[in-house]
Amino acid sequence: GNSVTQMEGPVTLSEEAFLTINCTYTATGYPSLFWYVQYPGEGLQLLLKATKADDKGSNKGFEATYRKETTSFHLEKGSVQVSDSAVYFCASGNKLTFGGGTRVLVKP
Amino acid sequence: SQTIHQWPATLVQPVGSPLSLECTVEGTSNPNLYWYRQAAGRGLQLLFYSVGIGQISSEVPQNLSASRPQDRQFILSSKKLLLSDSGFYLCAWSAAVLNTEAFFGQGTRLTVV
Repeated sequence: GNSVTQMEGPVTLSEEAFLTINCTYTATGYPSLFWYVQYPGEGLQLLLKATKADDKGSNKGFEATYRKETTSFHLEKGSVQVSDSAVYFCASGNKLTFGGGTRVLVKP
Repeated sequence: SQTIHQWPATLVQPVGSPLSLECTVEGTSNPNLYWYRQAAGRGLQLLFYSVGIGQISSEVPQNLSASRPQDRQFILSSKKLLLSDSGFYLCAWSAAVLNTEAFFGQGTRLTVV
């Protein structure tokens, strides 16, 4: 079956620091890959997606590249802000299998 | 545009009481519908998904059930709540195609006391 593994948090950063959240997947075939963000007390919002190998999804300064050879979809942002504090979820394919989520806390 | 409504936002229920959470989608037809649970500090667990009226697939054995009486309505129920049913419940929809993103409601915080 499908599975998604992402790094455990919490990740604590200072403002303007570089953020990386690792995500790897196992799946049959080539699923689409997604990053979702969850702000406190809210549902999940789609942050970005990639539908095939070597695609790069980007939004709000975040980027992730679909790497078939390493089965990875790591999330990156070059300069985080306090408002980026949230829980980030990696997800794959059909029926959306989610990773465990990574809490990110950005301090001023 | 499509919207998804989920209610109530918060709910406190005693052990052994029934549960009914409702989710409706507007602006689309024949969506795939999902119920997820997020336990405190943990990831999302897919509970049920539905590809059409009356078609429900259960992903994990549990104390809960789901129904889809109308195309854009998805209901999560329990006859008798357990303490372990506490959590954050999220409804989501996606287009009826493979490998596409889902869109989430705002969630229901359920506390069983």
